[in-house]
Amino acid sequence: AQSVTQPDIHITVSEGASLELRCNYSYGATPYLFWYVQSPGQGLQLLLKYFSGDTLVQGIKGFEAEFKRSQSSFNLRKPSVHWSDAAEYFCAVGSNNNDMRFGAGTRLTVKP
Amino acid sequence: KAGVTQTPRYLIKTRGQQVTLSCSPISGHRSVSWYQQTPGQGLQFLFEYFSETQRNKGNFPGRFSGRQFSNSRSEMNVSTLELGDSALYLCASSLEGTQTGGYTFGSGTRLTVV
Repeated sequence: AQSVTQPDIHITVSEGASLELRCNYSYGATPYLFWYVQSPGQGLQLLLKYFSGDTLVQGIKGFEAEFKRSQSSFNLRKPSVHWSDAAEYFCAVGSNNNDMRFGAGTRLTVKP
Repeated sequence: KAGVTQTPRYLIKTRGQQVTLSCSPISGHRSVSWYQQTPGQGLQFLFEYFSETQRNKGNFPGRFSGRQFSNSRSEMNVSTLELGDSALYLCASSLEGTQTGGYTFGSGTRLTVV
């Protein structure tokens, strides 16, 4: 089965600074890759997804992610972080078996 | 259009009881997945239903079960509750599964077992 690793449990960045959240996946075929964001006590909101084609994908709220097959990575980036971006971020990998597996999540804190 | 609706939002049960959680997917979505989220284990896949059939199942004991109705609404049931079942249970819907664009999640049901 596929799996996801998010190496960073907690990241703190200053407001206005750039952000990169790391995600590595394990899957034998071309994966379906996703980034979700979760605010406390809420469900998950889809930020962006990669299925095929252009390896740089744009999402909502100014986020983007780049699929690098050679590194089995799908890192999430944002050029300038806003205080409202503070949340938990989950990378997920899906397969044709329709079971989506999530990483452990990275908690983002934004310093004023 | 309406999102994924989960009821109830909060639930407190006693050890040994059983519980049923409900999920109404986005209109037109036929795939429904369930996840358990805990601080220690993170998001764990329970099962996925499509057109009233369970297509996939995660590594949970048989106390966890689910079903899907002809209108795509889904329920999950946990019998003989244990303290460790306390968690946020998330339901997610999709048109037909992962390959059709990922899942839209509900706000979850917070289950507390005392």
